[in-house]
Amino acid sequence: DGGITQSPKYLFRKEGQNVTLSCEQNLNHDAMYWYRQDPGQGLRLIYYSQIVNDFQKGDIAEGYSVSREKKESFPLTVTSAQKNPTAFYLCASSIYGRSANYGYTFGSGTRLTVV
Amino acid sequence: DAKTTQPTSMDCAEGRAANLPCNHSTISGNEYVYWYRQIHSQGPQYIIHGLKNNETNEMASLIITEDRKSSTLILPHATLRDTAVYYCIVTGTYKYIFGTGTRLKVLA
Repeated sequence: DGGITQSPKYLFRKEGQNVTLSCEQNLNHDAMYWYRQDPGQGLRLIYYSQIVNDFQKGDIAEGYSVSREKKESFPLTVTSAQKNPTAFYLCASSIYGRSANYGYTFGSGTRLTVV
Repeated sequence: DAKTTQPTSMDCAEGRAANLPCNHSTISGNEYVYWYRQIHSQGPQYIIHGLKNNETNEMASLIITEDRKSSTLILPHATLRDTAVYYCIVTGTYKYIFGTGTRLKVLA
């Protein structure tokens, strides 16, 4: 079955360490996205990528970095510069096109706790 | 992208229809209305979307007013498993802006 896989589901890191969250999709979707969710809040866009080797900052990109070397993969690195990294991170993908007539498929998320 | 307004929370009796409203008074002509839901600690799940016409699928119905300034998501026979946060999103591109949604609680 096609889908989008995020790993790991839970991640614990010490303050000051960089950590990379994995996101892989086999839906042949062009666009991929990273969102952050804090308790009781909606999702906020960190980075997005429309095609391979290209990505754009979202609303809260500071302290994060991404790469898009393959269509299937869009890893997110939470760097030590991110002031408050503990959150639920969600990856999504969609067909890219001029029309908005395409839905997102989301992964099941990674809950990152920094201690 | 147009901004949406949704009630913070709603309750619905099991087996009854759940009607979730969404206001999007600044929607423009090429913007779609999308609905997603998020069950606790999971990724959001796509429910339905539409542009002008009412839409129905196996999960829900979407009713969009003629002026397109508001819409209603209808879950025809709510079950306990429909308890979730429901997000209404209006967008003319592939990029979404999520609000805080409506927390629907289905009561036994």
